[in-house]
Amino acid sequence: EVQLVESGGGLVQPGRSLRLSCAASGFSFDDYAMHWVRQPPGKGLEWVSGISWNGGSIGYADSVKGRFTISRDNARNSLYLQMNSLRAEDTALYYCAKDGYGGSWYGGNWFDPWGQGTLVTVSS
Amino acid sequence: QSALTQPPSVSGSPGQSVTISCTGTSNDVGTYNRVSWYQQPPGTAPKLVLYEVSNRPSGVPDRFSGSKSGNTASLTISGLQAEDEADYYCSSYTSSSTYVFGTGTKVTVL
Repeated sequence: EVQLVESGGGLVQPGRSLRLSCAASGFSFDDYAMHWVRQPPGKGLEWVSGISWNGGSIGYADSVKGRFTISRDNARNSLYLQMNSLRAEDTALYYCAKDGYGGSWYGGNWFDPWGQGTLVTVSS
Repeated sequence: QSALTQPPSVSGSPGQSVTISCTGTSNDVGTYNRVSWYQQPPGTAPKLVLYEVSNRPSGVPDRFSGSKSGNTASLTISGLQAEDEADYYCSSYTSSSTYVFGTGTKVTVL
């Protein structure tokens, strides 16, 4: 069974940094692209970033470009999101999701499955 | 990139059919056939129910079906059941090499 478990969320002050992790199991992690998707409390979903199977290709939403960095460690079956210069509007539940198609994050794929999410709250 | 437009809510009695629309532009839904749909019951993570407009993952009932015409994709739930009550989101790839989600639709079973 595919499992994705996020961690690293918490309360952080504006302008500070946080690093999220996603531990994957139940599939060949290095065969698939991975994504981060976030959901502000009571609001809709927003794609944040995607990374190809080997980390060679990466994409970001305009809202986080230049502040967030996605990475992966295939030896540890783990996905990461380094979040710098955090803003109040970054407050959200952050989900890790496996690409439903294959090793490339772009081209119009789908997200399947999703983890349970880790909550990031940016507030002074 | 603006979110795709979905109706805020739809409702139906058990056994009835409901359809959720997802309207984008020629930069997303209108160009790419990889529209996907996600079901999110309260307090849970989203779950894929349709991919590539109309394909159902293993385990998703055939009551769920999808279509697309021009810049609008649609999800239809036939034979509505109480367990279908949830928020539903569409998603599409965009010409900016990003992904965009819909605004979300709350499905209520009366």
